[in-house]
Amino acid sequence: GNSVTQMEGPVTLSEEAFLTINCTYTATGYPSLFWYVQYPGEGLQLLLKATKADDKGSNKGFEATYRKETTSFHLEKGSVQVSDSAVYFCALKDGNQFYFGTGTSLTVIP
Amino acid sequence: DTEVTQTPKHLVMGMTNKKSLKCEQHMGHRAMYWYKQKAKKPPELMFVYSYEKLSINESVPSRFSPECPNSSLLNLHLHALQPEDSALYLCASAWGAENIQYFGAGTRLSVL
Repeated sequence: GNSVTQMEGPVTLSEEAFLTINCTYTATGYPSLFWYVQYPGEGLQLLLKATKADDKGSNKGFEATYRKETTSFHLEKGSVQVSDSAVYFCALKDGNQFYFGTGTSLTVIP
Repeated sequence: DTEVTQTPKHLVMGMTNKKSLKCEQHMGHRAMYWYKQKAKKPPELMFVYSYEKLSINESVPSRFSPECPNSSLLNLHLHALQPEDSALYLCASAWGAENIQYFGAGTRLSVL
């Protein structure tokens, strides 16, 4: 079946630190992969996506590369800001359905 | 315009009340979704509508009743809810080659 596994949080970083949030997946087909971000009290916003192996998604300084050989889609950012504090969800899409990871809470302190 | 609008933003209801949640999108998307999200958890899929027809019902109790009157509108009718149904209810829509889901801001529901 399809599933997504994310690293446990919460993650606390100082401003300008390097961020990695690990995500691995299990899929029966050839899924598209996504990172969504949820700020407090809000819905989910698409952060970035990749639709096939070796694609790199990027947005707002965040990057993730679709690695089929390791079934991974790790999220990275070189220098986090306080405004990046949120919950990050890794997700895969197979057909019409999305499968979400459990979410990783990130807090960035000044 | 990539906006999905949900109303109301907050709802408090008693266990005997009947209320409805509304979701609207004008992106021409033909798939619409209801999710339930508890605190510190990922969204859980409840229902999927495709071309205004219910295509997926994830074994949701009958006290939740979805309705898709047209391609832009999705409702969730609530009746005889339990306190454990208190959660953030998210609507999403998707279509096209990329089929990216766009989410609304959600309705925060409290059942007393």
